[in-house]
Amino acid sequence: DGGITQSPKYLFRKEGQNVTLSCEQNLNHDAMYWYRQDPGQGLRLIYYSQIVNDFQKGDIAEGYSVSREKKESFPLTVTSAQKNPTAFYLCASSVKQGSGANVLTFGAGSRLTVL
Amino acid sequence: RKEVEQDPGPFNVPEGATVAFNCTYSNSASQSFFWYRQDCRKEPKLLMSVYSSGNEDGRFTAQLNRASQYISLLIRDSKLSDSATYLCVVNNFNKFYFGSGTKLNVKP
Repeated sequence: DGGITQSPKYLFRKEGQNVTLSCEQNLNHDAMYWYRQDPGQGLRLIYYSQIVNDFQKGDIAEGYSVSREKKESFPLTVTSAQKNPTAFYLCASSVKQGSGANVLTFGAGSRLTVL
Repeated sequence: RKEVEQDPGPFNVPEGATVAFNCTYSNSASQSFFWYRQDCRKEPKLLMSVYSSGNEDGRFTAQLNRASQYISLLIRDSKLSDSATYLCVVNNFNKFYFGSGTKLNVKP
């Protein structure tokens, strides 16, 4: 079955440590995204990539880094520079529908807790 | 001003009720519009796209008013399984903007 796989599902980190969240898709989608969700808030865009070897900062990119070396993979690194990293992280990809609209499909998410 | 705004609720309704949510967006150049459903501690899932002419999928009806820059979702004959948070999503040039969600609780 086609889809987006995120790992790990749960992750605990000590302050000062970098962690990398994996996102793999077999949907053959060109565009991929990383969002962060905090309780009671909407999803906020961290980084996005429209094509391999290219990516752009979203609204809250500080303290995060990404790479897009392969079409199917878009890992997110949460660095020690991110001041409040405890959150639910969602990876998504998009494809243009027949109507011309781009539609987002999400992975199951990774829940990061900083101890 | 936020790109997308929604009433957070919660909306507490009995089974069988009709309930409506609205959402407003700030960028008049927005191109496409969606409602997503998110269950507690799960990822959002596409409920339906929203078209200018309005569209219906079973008990769900979505409307778009470009002049007033708002989107609506109507749920008829609410089921217990409809309890979730409903996210309004707007697409501008390959970036997607999310409302904070409206929580719906359907009671027996």
